[in-house]
Amino acid sequence: AQSVTQPDIHITVSEGASLELRCNYSYGATPYLFWYVQSPGQGLQLLLKYFSGDTLVQGIKGFEAEFKRSQSSFNLRKPSVHWSDAAEYFCAVLTGTASKLTFGTGTRLQVTL
Amino acid sequence: GAGVSQSPRYKVAKRGQDVALRCDPISGHVSLFWYQQALGQGPEFLTYFQNEAQLDKSGLPSDRFFAERPEGSVSTLKIQRTQQEDSAVYLCASSLPPDRASDTGELFFGEGSRLTVL
Repeated sequence: AQSVTQPDIHITVSEGASLELRCNYSYGATPYLFWYVQSPGQGLQLLLKYFSGDTLVQGIKGFEAEFKRSQSSFNLRKPSVHWSDAAEYFCAVLTGTASKLTFGTGTRLQVTL
Repeated sequence: GAGVSQSPRYKVAKRGQDVALRCDPISGHVSLFWYQQALGQGPEFLTYFQNEAQLDKSGLPSDRFFAERPEGSVSTLKIQRTQQEDSAVYLCASSLPPDRASDTGELFFGEGSRLTVL
């Protein structure tokens, strides 16, 4: 079955430092992969998505992610973190048809000033 | 409205009570999803509608959970005889028709309804 693993439950970085959040997927075919962000009390917001083509995808808020088939990974990166980036980040894979998503357990990002 | 609207935002129920959670999707979005997000977990799929048709309900945890979307717009998730394990945030999401390949998978989420069962 398709699944997504986010090995880091909680990450703390200093403002201005770089960030990488890990995501590994298990999927037989070419996966459709997503990163969502959830701020406290808010719904999930799409940061970026990968369907095909260029393996480095750009998203909103300065985020990017790189699809690496050989490593079954889709890690999220940001060169310089801002305090407002503190939130919960979810990686997800499209499973089946019609936009059904399977989410990872999330990584909570804390940003120190 | 501009986004997915859910109500109530917060609901406290006594064990055994029935609850109903409402979702008003983005206008024109034919696909509607319900997810359950337990504390500290990622969202888990419950059910999916395309217009008024419930095409997938494989994620509903028990027959106490029931969802409907009678006119293909607003949806209601009903939980009968609530149990403490039902405590979670219930997220609704909508998306454009699935044949819009460029938009496949882009779900627009509401802020959720937080259910606490005492």
